[in-house]
Amino acid sequence: DTEVTQTPKHLVMGMTNKKSLKCEQHMGHRAMYWYKQKAKKPPELMFVYSYEKLSINESVPSRFSPECPNSSLLNLHLHALQPEDSALYLCASSPLWSGETFPNEQFFGPGTRLTVL
Amino acid sequence: AQSVTQPDIHITVSEGASLELRCNYSYGATPYLFWYVQSPGQGLQLLLKYFSGDTLVQGIKGFEAEFKRSQSSFNLRKPSVHWSDAAEYFCAVMMEYGNKLVFGAGTILRVKS
Repeated sequence: DTEVTQTPKHLVMGMTNKKSLKCEQHMGHRAMYWYKQKAKKPPELMFVYSYEKLSINESVPSRFSPECPNSSLLNLHLHALQPEDSALYLCASSPLWSGETFPNEQFFGPGTRLTVL
Repeated sequence: AQSVTQPDIHITVSEGASLELRCNYSYGATPYLFWYVQSPGQGLQLLLKYFSGDTLVQGIKGFEAEFKRSQSSFNLRKPSVHWSDAAEYFCAVMMEYGNKLVFGAGTILRVKS
């Protein structure tokens, strides 16, 4: 299985809602990533998890809360979002070896299209 | 800091014509370079990557790229474009710490019949 799956495909939420995005991979990868992609822009890294521990937070507002409950799952919890948070949220995974980072390919999921009203 | 420049925002080519998409990077050490393709509303698919070794890299779907250290470039090429190649193409460089990918702004490829 060489796929990264993301659910839901589309999500519409109000500014007072709480919702979660889910990402799953079964490739045995021990690094997982959240990216945000605004329309007509490149993806921008939000978070990196290595061995289920948060290793990078790119100064993301606290209304975005990541969680990695196990090596196959990555969640992004959303609360009190703003309309400018509307974007495509991409999850990716990649191998890690021996606790060191290598130049490994990141496998991307299809994304969740989020609209905040 | 690492950065990637894709000077062409849009490129239009005729079906069957050759294609070259430009990418320049800024990085002090050996760069790890990637080309990804994204169809509208979809995730990113890796076309090819360069880590070391042969500077001409072959990828999927008939794409290739050439790493030129002297020009800090990693241009993507295809000898004959198909209508299905219409998409957005991103060049990216990977930072050594944290496997962080830094993307260029992207080039939108249009294919005319």
